[in-house]
Amino acid sequence: AQSVTQLDSHVSVSEGTPVLLRCNYSSSYSPSLFWYVQHPNKGLQLLLKYTSAATLVKGINGFEAEFKKSETSFHLTKPSAHMSDAAEYFCVVSTMEYGNKLVFGAGTILRVKS
Amino acid sequence: GAGVSQTPSNKVTEKGKYVELRCDPISGHTALYWYRQSLGQGPEFLIYFQGTGAADDSGLPNDRFFAVRPEGSVSTLKIQRTERGDSAVYLCASRTDRNTEAFFGQGTRLTVV
Repeated sequence: AQSVTQLDSHVSVSEGTPVLLRCNYSSSYSPSLFWYVQHPNKGLQLLLKYTSAATLVKGINGFEAEFKKSETSFHLTKPSAHMSDAAEYFCVVSTMEYGNKLVFGAGTILRVKS
Repeated sequence: GAGVSQTPSNKVTEKGKYVELRCDPISGHTALYWYRQSLGQGPEFLIYFQGTGAADDSGLPNDRFFAVRPEGSVSTLKIQRTERGDSAVYLCASRTDRNTEAFFGQGTRLTVV
């Protein structure tokens, strides 16, 4: 069974409009959750993380994500997209169930239209 | 060092040759991971070290792939008898424990011709 599911492989928004990238995970244990961004030909950069503190997590560049245990979700949002947000975004889960390795979703490519 | 360092940044090799890819993690990070990212795909887990030992090597695709971390810091991923299908970006990451974020290197782009 898929451990981490990013529900959209591609998302396209207009500059200045909200962004929503969806992520669901499956685990019986309390997870640590991360969102990483990868710009073309660049390395993976951490956007934000959830590690059992506040369920609403704020990250860099205006991104935030909310951990909803009942829905096993960790969706990434941003109120207003910027052209520089165009990149690929990965939801990553780490739990004891996975032996503490980092399990990646398949990624969501965000396109921002001017 | 300031971050995770991977060398070389690019490697072109002929089919059938042996290659070694090196990863220098952040000092003090006990956990080290290797991933492989093919074009248009997300990173695929290969192996995870906790200290000197391989805690999980379930992602290594076959016995041509091997990795070591003899002193609990630098790690080397070794690929024997390379095949064209091994062409990918090999990523290394390190972190202190499971509740912290992992820091990724820039990757080694391996091309097998």
